[in-house]
Amino acid sequence: KAGVTQTPRYLIKTRGQQVTLSCSPISGHRSVSWYQQTPGQGLQFLFEYFSETQRNKGNFPGRFSGRQFSNSRSEMNVSTLELGDSALYLCASSGGGYNYNEQFFGPGTRLTVL
Amino acid sequence: GENVEQHPSTLSVQEGDSAVIKCTYSDSASNYFPWYKQELGKRPQLIIDIRSNVGEKKDQRIAVTLNKTAKHFSLHITETQPEDSAVYFCAATLSGFQKLVFGTGTRLLVSP
Repeated sequence: KAGVTQTPRYLIKTRGQQVTLSCSPISGHRSVSWYQQTPGQGLQFLFEYFSETQRNKGNFPGRFSGRQFSNSRSEMNVSTLELGDSALYLCASSGGGYNYNEQFFGPGTRLTVL
Repeated sequence: GENVEQHPSTLSVQEGDSAVIKCTYSDSASNYFPWYKQELGKRPQLIIDIRSNVGEKKDQRIAVTLNKTAKHFSLHITETQPEDSAVYFCAATLSGFQKLVFGTGTRLLVSP
């Protein structure tokens, strides 16, 4: 099976712009979670989508949003970018059921905000 | 909410030594505890996990132990090799919830 893929791998934006990141889960996986990784804050949970519905949400401002399509592919959007949004954004997919806790990560999108 | 503390933040060992990384979680409802290894510039990869109905799990040179009463879990790596050098993250969550709460990471350096 192909692994989790993310596009683009690198992005450079300026403050105030918005950005959309994409994640394609492992075939058959229905849950996609998003994480922000920074040197200072570590790995922090953003949100999780399952069957096109946001099922869990972390403690991030409303500028961070996401969605999931019927094929389980997911996108996250960050509006009005701030310098502090510079980070590696990782998505992870899993089966999504009670016994399917294993999450498999994509390679990440490295976002730099200037 | 859940909080996970991880120690030490850095760990240097000689090749062949053992390494132990410890984590403490706050939410007694958590029942799934994975460990991830992240090499420089790469994605986190699941190396081992444990559920709360098990006290210990082994996979070759890697083992994880769980003490539910103390809310502690630990990663043990025996016969370390230079390729074990990476950052290791522990995490905790409740089964059925995909919201992993991560520890702050341990940078393991194995010197030849």
